[in-house]
Amino acid sequence: GAGVSQTPSNKVTEKGKYVELRCDPISGHTALYWYRQSLGQGPEFLIYFQGTGAADDSGLPNDRFFAVRPEGSVSTLKIQRTERGDSAVYLCASSPRGWADTQYFGPGTRLTVL
Amino acid sequence: AQSVTQLGSHVSVSEGALVLLRCNYSSSVPPYLFWYVQYPNQGLQLLLKYTTGATLVKGINGFEAEFKKSETSFHLTKPSAHMSDAAEYFCAVSVSNTGNQFYFGTGTSLTVIP
Repeated sequence: GAGVSQTPSNKVTEKGKYVELRCDPISGHTALYWYRQSLGQGPEFLIYFQGTGAADDSGLPNDRFFAVRPEGSVSTLKIQRTERGDSAVYLCASSPRGWADTQYFGPGTRLTVL
Repeated sequence: AQSVTQLGSHVSVSEGALVLLRCNYSSSVPPYLFWYVQYPNQGLQLLLKYTTGATLVKGINGFEAEFKKSETSFHLTKPSAHMSDAAEYFCAVSVSNTGNQFYFGTGTSLTVIP
């Protein structure tokens, strides 16, 4: 079956611009995670959705970052006033029920802020 | 706070030799422990996980790991390395009393020498 997909695969933007990154989870998975992975580092937790609601958003670095999942399926990570330090690979993962389940990762979106 | 330490950012082994990738965690309560693998140009995928029960867990591709509470370790092993094992390996921990966050280590890059 189809895995987790993320679009775009690459995004280049200028400092100060707004970007949206999309995640399509595996159908039927209620849990969805966003991570950020910088070069040479492991994935860093950003936010976890259970259904439509953000169950834990404590990993979002500041108020420029926001994520939604309005219908409990597709999720969008939104970054306002991008900064060069936001450059990273943004990963999305989904799991059938919750945090203890196996997470299935998407290929990531590589964001470059010039 | 929870943390994961992976000793050795790069490990090289000869084909057919033992693979040992080290992972130590800090947690005040029993954790859930995971090993994920990232092959070149692919997304993260689960190798194995420990939740409860038997402390020696077997995963895909001949890998296994043992949860040792006294040593706060979850080292990954494989008796005989194959060329196809070359990849980036990440250890991760999750604990219920911190919500729904996953904490990943910084990763170990495994090179297999023919």
